[in-house]
Amino acid sequence: GENVEQHPSTLSVQEGDSAVIKCTYSDSASNYFPWYKQELGKRPQLIIDIRSNVGEKKDQRIAVTLNKTAKHFSLHITETQPEDSAVYFCAASRQAGANNLFFGTGTRLTVIP
Amino acid sequence: SAVISQKPSRDICQRGTSLTIQCQVDSQVTMMFWYRQQPGQSLTLIATANQGSEATYESGFVIDKFPISRPNLTFSTLTVSNMSPEDSSIYLCSVATGTGETQYFGPGTRLLVL
Repeated sequence: GENVEQHPSTLSVQEGDSAVIKCTYSDSASNYFPWYKQELGKRPQLIIDIRSNVGEKKDQRIAVTLNKTAKHFSLHITETQPEDSAVYFCAASRQAGANNLFFGTGTRLTVIP
Repeated sequence: SAVISQKPSRDICQRGTSLTIQCQVDSQVTMMFWYRQQPGQSLTLIATANQGSEATYESGFVIDKFPISRPNLTFSTLTVSNMSPEDSSIYLCSVATGTGETQYFGPGTRLLVL
């Protein structure tokens, strides 16, 4: 089965700096890679996703990059704000929404004002 | 996106008892899933709830322990049977809509087993 590794497990940045979270996956057949943000006591919320036919995707301060050859993908948050503080999970799937989502272990991001 | 609700939001149960968690969506969805999130951990898929047929369970999860129903396209239940303290977790349902592009999560049910 798929194995998703996520690093770092914790990350602290100063407000306004950038944050980068990296994930690797093992199954070369995986083709859909979402990122979820989970605030304390709340549900995971999808913040961005990317498919294997795309190398990069941006949405305002958030971007995701994918390297299919190396089987890794990364989340980039620029101009971080205190409200970005949360746990972020990457995931991988063979088929968008219709198959298993395999989650990474999570990264606790703290943005220091 | 679909509005997803879960009942109960939290519960405290005695070991050996069972709890049924409900997941209701305000529109028909393609797929429904059940996940477990143990304290401070990531999400693990328990099973895919199939409408009108038996759920598809992931390795390590069995129907006798986690029976699942999905009578229609907007509703599913997960039962945690014969509970032990190790079952203390957050249980989340998720749905995939339309073409199944993404999964959206319900608010979760926080379960504590004493």
